[in-house]
Amino acid sequence: QSVLTQPPSASGTPGQRVTISCSGSRSNIGSNPVNWYQQFPGAAPKLLIYTNDQRPSGVPDRFSGSKSGTSASLAISGLQSEDEADYYCAAWDDSLNGHVVFGGGTKLTVL
Amino acid sequence: QVQLQESGPGLVKPSQTLSLTCSVSGDSITTGGYYWSWIRQHPGKGLEWIGDNHYSGSSYFNPSLKSRLTISVDTSNNQFSLKLGSVTAADTAVYYCARRRSYRGVNWFDPWGQGTLVTVSS
Repeated sequence: QSVLTQPPSASGTPGQRVTISCSGSRSNIGSNPVNWYQQFPGAAPKLLIYTNDQRPSGVPDRFSGSKSGTSASLAISGLQSEDEADYYCAAWDDSLNGHVVFGGGTKLTVL
Repeated sequence: QVQLQESGPGLVKPSQTLSLTCSVSGDSITTGGYYWSWIRQHPGKGLEWIGDNHYSGSSYFNPSLKSRLTISVDTSNNQFSLKLGSVTAADTAVYYCARRRSYRGVNWFDPWGQGTLVTVSS
């Protein structure tokens, strides 16, 4: 069971806006920034959003992140078929001398 | 740009030690502000952070794996390695190496290696 909680699945039709939630606790999301990773089948994960809401170069502005308290969200607007992938949130956790925690992942399906 | 590449045996026997190396190109492993990390993904499952090391020797480990874990940085060859002892079938996974940016409280993994599947079986 993952420390950060994500819905196992999400879906939307092309053009729609979908959000994926990530819930944690005071020692992780409540105290540290959240990052999001995108993973296509058979490929390595790729950094999608860092420090809550920052996009690396090359990531479309259709992807956005936010954080409030002990929860974070990834939003994808103007959904496209190529956005179908697994999405993971992650954060530093200050407990137990410090370690990284991931969410269980959300499989996004574009209908 | 920085690239990471994992290498090592794809098959390890139960109770033995899993050993992997990650070669770094495009930047020095001694560049400040980075930890060199290992992350794994069990078949069909999510991501699990294993641990990481800074070239200075500072390290962090997943509490559940710490007792079996060694991560070291080889600055002369610009690579870092993972050793996980007393493996069982539960350690079968795709193992990724990644660079963790770490400064002023922020952390993120970028880039990642392509991953290597390690199977624990007799």
